[in-house]
Formats: sequence, structure tokens, C-alpha cells
Amino acid sequence: AAGVIQSPRHLIKEKRETATLKCYPIPRHDTVYWYQQGPGQDPQFLISFYEKMQSDKGSIPDRFSAQQFSDYHSELNMSSLELGDSALYFCASSSGQGGFDEKLFFGSGTQLSVL
Amino acid sequence: SQQGEEDPQALSIQEGENATMNCSYKTSINNLQWYRQNSGRGLVHLILIRSNEREKHSGRLRVTLDTSKKSSSLLITASRAADTASYFCATDDENNFNKFYFGSGTKLNVKP
Repeated sequence: AAGVIQSPRHLIKEKRETATLKCYPIPRHDTVYWYQQGPGQDPQFLISFYEKMQSDKGSIPDRFSAQQFSDYHSELNMSSLELGDSALYFCASSSGQGGFDEKLFFGSGTQLSVL
Repeated sequence: SQQGEEDPQALSIQEGENATMNCSYKTSINNLQWYRQNSGRGLVHLILIRSNEREKHSGRLRVTLDTSKKSSSLLITASRAADTASYFCATDDENNFNKFYFGSGTKLNVKP
């Protein structure tokens, strides 16, 4: 079965550079979530999209932006990168039906290292 | 953590023993879910319990939920070395289906 695809798998950037992370949800999933996980930390909710519209926002810095495209894939754009942005970035998708049984399906993540 | 705390933070047991992890959360929820994460990998959904349920089983997993105490526990019976991973609970927001919060996780080490 198709899973959530994230690219790239690893990314190395310098301070103040920009980075773009991509996420391709499971087919027919219309909801995408982005999470940031620092070393030894729990995943922190950044932002979510439902049907190409932003549905909720968490602790996403103003330097970051994201969007969901017509084919439901999503991109997380990160500018003016800081050392503290080094983390594992996960994308998850769900069917967006909401309610009691909503489950998240996670990609393998993008490991971002800012030097 | 954005939502709650888990305890213990780390747990080391022998193969065959049971492992119990606890999770507390802060807001009202529709459901609580448990996820497993192998080091540096994505999270994998294990089990979901609705806010109107008190206990749920799936294979060697048993989850309980106490909404009055805003807490849940995950029991893994007859643990195996392959169960070694970090375990996170996640809760949604009763008023928002598109926001999930994770607890701080329990790192389980099962020694063969």
C-alpha cells in the first residue's frame, strides 16, 4: 500500500539559507500535518491543511510557511534558517473525515541539519 | 510538550515481561491514540481509544482511558526485543479535528 512520501530524506543547509520540504500524502487523503521533532523531543505540531486550506496552526515560526497544492501534496518552506531549526520534520496525512476515528499516517521524515 | 506528559521517560525490561506506559493530557478530547517510533523513523499508529471508551485491546496491546483524570495507559504484554522503540500518546482537540498533540514519549528498551 502507498504510504506518505517525504523528500528529501536528508538536507544540510547553512545558517540563513532557505529550505523546502515536500510531502506527498496517501492517495485520497486530503489532510496533511507537519510536525517538528528535535533530538529526544516529542513531535511538535506546526501546521495542518484540509482540502488545500490551512486548517490549524501550531508552533510554526513566522520564518516558515507551508501550503497544500491541488494534487494534495504539501510543501514546507523555511527561510533564514537557524541552528535551532535542525530537527526531524515529519509530514502526516489522514482521510480528513474527522471525528472519533481520525488516525495519522506518517512519512519517514526529513532530517534537516543547519550548520 | 504541547499536550501532556508521559511516564516513565525511559523503561528497561527483560523480554517476556509486561511494559506499562502512562500518558496525561490537558484538554478535552475526542480520542487518544498511541504511536510507536523506532529511532529516527516515522511514527506508526498502534491503537486508538475514543473518549467514551474505557479500555481497548489489540493483540498484545491494552489501552485504558480515564477522562476524569485525563490520563491513559498502554500495556504491552509478553514484550519482545522488537518492541524496543519510543512510544507516544497523541490526543486531538475536542473542538478541532485537524490538530493532534503528542506527549513527550516513553523510551522502551526490551532486553533479549
